[in-house]
Amino acid sequence: GENVEQHPSTLSVQEGDSAVIKCTYSDSASNYFPWYKQELGKRPQLIIDIRSNVGEKKDQRIAVTLNKTAKHFSLHITETQPEDSAVYFCAAGGTGGGNKLTFGTGTQLKVEL
Amino acid sequence: EAGVVQSPRYKIIEKKQPVAFWCNPISGHNTLYWYLQNLGQGPELLIRYENEEAVDDSQLPKDRFSAERLKGVDSTLKIQPAELGDSAVYLCASSPKAGGGQETQYFGPGTRLLVL
Repeated sequence: GENVEQHPSTLSVQEGDSAVIKCTYSDSASNYFPWYKQELGKRPQLIIDIRSNVGEKKDQRIAVTLNKTAKHFSLHITETQPEDSAVYFCAAGGTGGGNKLTFGTGTQLKVEL
Repeated sequence: EAGVVQSPRYKIIEKKQPVAFWCNPISGHNTLYWYLQNLGQGPELLIRYENEEAVDDSQLPKDRFSAERLKGVDSTLKIQPAELGDSAVYLCASSPKAGGGQETQYFGPGTRLLVL
């Protein structure tokens, strides 16, 4: 089955700096890669996703890049703000597998003033 | 548009007792998922439904866990009997379909279970 590794487990940045979270996956059949943000005690919320037919996607301060050959994808947050502080999860899945998502172990992002 | 609704939000039970969780997906979403999330970990799929059919239950511990999705809308996840190790957050999610660009999964707030 799919295996997703996520790094780092914790990340502390100064407000206004950029944050990068990286994930690798093992199953070359995976073709859908969402990123979720989860605040303490709340539901995971989708912030951006990418499909394997594109290499990069951007939405305001958030961008995701995908390297299918190397089987890794990354989340980039620019101009970080205190409200970006949360746990971020990457996931990999595929419509061929019935949209089963395998999640990474999460990155605790802390944006300091 | 209302999101995924789950109840109860919190549940405390003693080991060996039964417990049930309820999920109401987003209206019109055919696909429903139950996940288990342990503290400090990502969600892990327990079971996936396409309408009323369980199409992937390979991760569901069938000796004590059961689920149903009558009429292809609401779903119930049950544990009987509960064990100490079942303490976790149980998340429900739904998506319009399982593919075709409609596979985005939307999560409910979860039920936090504590087994004493």
